[in-house]
Amino acid sequence: QKEVEQDPGPLSVPEGAIVSLNCTYSNSAFQYFMWYRQYSRKGPELLMYTYSSGNKEDGRFTAQVDKSSKYISLFIRDSQPSDSATYLCAMSANTGRRALTFGSGTRLQVQP
Amino acid sequence: SAVISQKPSRDICQRGTSLTIQCQVDSQVTMMFWYRQQPGQSLTLIATANQGSEATYESGFVIDKFPISRPNLTFSTLTVSNMSPEDSSIYLCSVATEGQYFGPGTRLTVT
Repeated sequence: QKEVEQDPGPLSVPEGAIVSLNCTYSNSAFQYFMWYRQYSRKGPELLMYTYSSGNKEDGRFTAQVDKSSKYISLFIRDSQPSDSATYLCAMSANTGRRALTFGSGTRLQVQP
Repeated sequence: SAVISQKPSRDICQRGTSLTIQCQVDSQVTMMFWYRQQPGQSLTLIATANQGSEATYESGFVIDKFPISRPNLTFSTLTVSNMSPEDSSIYLCSVATEGQYFGPGTRLTVT
């Protein structure tokens, strides 16, 4: 079993929809949680960064972390065609090492 | 945040040769990482490169194959040695500040 599980999709939604992306993990030592957006042939772009449990909102994006369930989510409101990309969750333990373990990525397609 | 550049952006190399990838950051950072993203796959950590110490390699990656230099707090290189077609991937450097930021990647094709 992988340390981080993420549904690969593809996920296709109409423009304006609310998108929910999720990851589950098995390592209880993970404390830092990140969501990245990756366009084709580009490097990952950091969207959201959270520490421990709770919610964080930034514009149309909301990240949720439920450590008791080992489950994290990214919500995108009022989705746009420009949101079409692969979304990667990533996490690391609360140590000085800070190296990330990634999910496999979910491909999102927002239809105009 | 951090702005990261990589050179080259892409290359096509012959089997058995080596390629050195450069990573430049616009600010001083202690922790730098090198990742690999194979076609259609997610990112896998190759090694952690902290200035002033030897790089730490993940399971499955060895120094002879992927030597890393970290001469100062804004620069690092990764060399892919004695390349084979299985090394065809995107190689990304990353730095840890409050979050973790990635460069644009180097797309390597080995023929």
